[in-house]
Amino acid sequence: AQSVTQLDSHVSVSEGTPVLLRCNYSSSYSPSLFWYVQHPNKGLQLLLKYTSAATLVKGINGFEAEFKKSETSFHLTKPSAHMSDAAEYFCVVRVYNAGGTSYGKLTFGQGTILTVHP
Amino acid sequence: EAGVTQSPTHLIKTRGQQATLRCSPISGHTSVYWYQQALGLGLQFLLWYDEGEERNRGNFPPRFSGRQFPNYSSELNVNALELEDSALYLCASSQQAGNIQYFGAGTRLSVL
Repeated sequence: AQSVTQLDSHVSVSEGTPVLLRCNYSSSYSPSLFWYVQHPNKGLQLLLKYTSAATLVKGINGFEAEFKKSETSFHLTKPSAHMSDAAEYFCVVRVYNAGGTSYGKLTFGQGTILTVHP
Repeated sequence: EAGVTQSPTHLIKTRGQQATLRCSPISGHTSVYWYQQALGLGLQFLLWYDEGEERNRGNFPPRFSGRQFPNYSSELNVNALELEDSALYLCASSQQAGNIQYFGAGTRLSVL
């Protein structure tokens, strides 16, 4: 079975400092991993995706994530936080069966709320 | 290009009533997914429709149902509403099954 664990429920940073949001995954097969962001009272926006190409994935708004198979991690980083980055971030895995066929569903982590202080 | 649109934005019902939520996918997308985001329970997969057929459903009772129309839009029906059904219901669509899912802004259902 595939699952994701976000290691921090809340992260607080100052504007201009680096951001690190941690995610570990569990997958029986080669996973597809995503980070989505949700601003208050809004839907989910895709930040970036990993689908077994490059292990360092660049996304929108300066975010990037590195897939580390040995550590089963997919941490999200950004060199310099901006006030507009304040939101809830979800690490997500797409579920497949043994034959590699998607079940369609995404499995979400519990979410990390990022607070950015001026 | 228009994104995934959901209606209504807010819906207020009382216990025992039925709720109908609607979703229009991005043009060209054939798969539609429904998720529930309830306080304290996180985001949970509800249903997946592709080419008019239900392909998968999450661990929800049968009073949660839906359908996909020939134009690929979808509706989610929740019968015999319970207080714990209060949540944000998100719809997503993808070009094909297994591709990236793009989300709408959601319908907030409040059950009183």
